[in-house]
Amino acid sequence: TQLLEQSPQFLSIQEGENLTVYCNSSSVFSSLQWYRQEPGEGPVLLVTVVTGGEVKKLKRLTFQFGDARKDSSLHITAAQPGDTGLYLCAGARNNQGGKLIFGQGTELSVKP
Amino acid sequence: DSGVTQTPKHLITATGQRVTLRCSPRSGDLSVYWYQQSLDQGLQFLIQYYNGEERAKGNILERFSAQQFPDLHSELNLSSLELGDSALYFCASSPSWNTEAFFGQGTRLTVV
Repeated sequence: TQLLEQSPQFLSIQEGENLTVYCNSSSVFSSLQWYRQEPGEGPVLLVTVVTGGEVKKLKRLTFQFGDARKDSSLHITAAQPGDTGLYLCAGARNNQGGKLIFGQGTELSVKP
Repeated sequence: DSGVTQTPKHLITATGQRVTLRCSPRSGDLSVYWYQQSLDQGLQFLIQYYNGEERAKGNILERFSAQQFPDLHSELNLSSLELGDSALYFCASSPSWNTEAFFGQGTRLTVV
């Protein structure tokens, strides 16, 4: 059972377009992290959200944590080819130490 | 560069063999995590150590074991290897037992 469902699984867009990636769960998380991974590399942490309803912006990337802390979204404005990669959401729970539960990922391809 | 060092980067071995993967955490980090990433299962949590003690355990097979040494580096031992153990194995570290984790570049294990 996948506790964190990401959608879409694959996304191919043209440079300049906007996109949103969703991360949904029926479980509550104490925090949620977003990572970006390139082929042959480890996941790189983009952001951590901890408060229900929280919105964080990182240049053209906007991250939101749902009010109930069960879901999150990543919105990219004016995507660029350098945004290409695998985007992963990962949830943590207070009673599980530092264990992260990862979604299956969204493979994003931005064509010039 | 996350500051987490994993060796070796690639490993090819035969079924039934035993291998050891090594991880040096970021300077000052006390927690080390091991994750397995395969195409069909995504990123799966294996085990966490905090300051030398096991902190959390995931669906780690009995053929797998890990430890964290006094200098805080960690090793993941995989024995009686099967074809299905072929995957990317990532180590991550964090300052405490429930804070943001930073991933190494991974070890790609191929069992033939």
